[in-house]
Amino acid sequence: QQQVKQSPQSLIVQKGGISIINCAYENTAFDYFPWYQQFPGKGPALLIAIRPDVSEKKEGRFTISFNKSAKQFSLHIMDSQPGDSATYFCAARLGFRDTGNQFYFGTGTSLTVIP
Amino acid sequence: DAMVIQNPRYQVTQFGKPVTLSCSQTLNHNVMYWYQQKSSQAPKLLFHYYDKDFNNEADTPDNFQSRRPNTSFCFLDIRSPGLGDAAMYLCATSSSISPLHFGNGTRLTVT
Repeated sequence: QQQVKQSPQSLIVQKGGISIINCAYENTAFDYFPWYQQFPGKGPALLIAIRPDVSEKKEGRFTISFNKSAKQFSLHIMDSQPGDSATYFCAARLGFRDTGNQFYFGTGTSLTVIP
Repeated sequence: DAMVIQNPRYQVTQFGKPVTLSCSQTLNHNVMYWYQQKSSQAPKLLFHYYDKDFNNEADTPDNFQSRRPNTSFCFLDIRSPGLGDAAMYLCATSSSISPLHFGNGTRLTVT
């Protein structure tokens, strides 16, 4: 069962446009929601993250919007650039005191920004 | 810079020939993870170590084993690689207060 559902699977955006990727979850025990950016041949890198007691977090051109009641969160990339072309994964963390945190990933969104 | 380092970056092995992938970290995180990632898919957790305690995922094949001799190092052993085991293998670390930090992965090819 997919713990975190992500959409769309792929996204094509013009340079300067806004890229929006959505994720939804069911488990209300998740306590931390990171987004990872992955370029081909590289490991995922943390992009931005949010805790469920915050509705929005912005870092530069990247913003997470979080809707706790709807159990949804989204990544917005403003002024999208060709260098943003990558695969983006949302994730959710389940904290376990005795066995270590577990992270559940969405299925990924392949973003292409056209010059 | 503190980081997660995986070696080798590319590994080619023959069908059925054991292979070991290595991971080291300078972050001093107490949790180390091994993920398998196939093309265009999300990383799939194989197992993780919480300090010295090994935690296996229920659907991880017995063909996959791991060792963590100390805080800094962790190894992934594939005892008899099959063609279906060709993938990117990602090592990651975390602590109770940090997100996952990934290495750049080892791309495994099985011939």
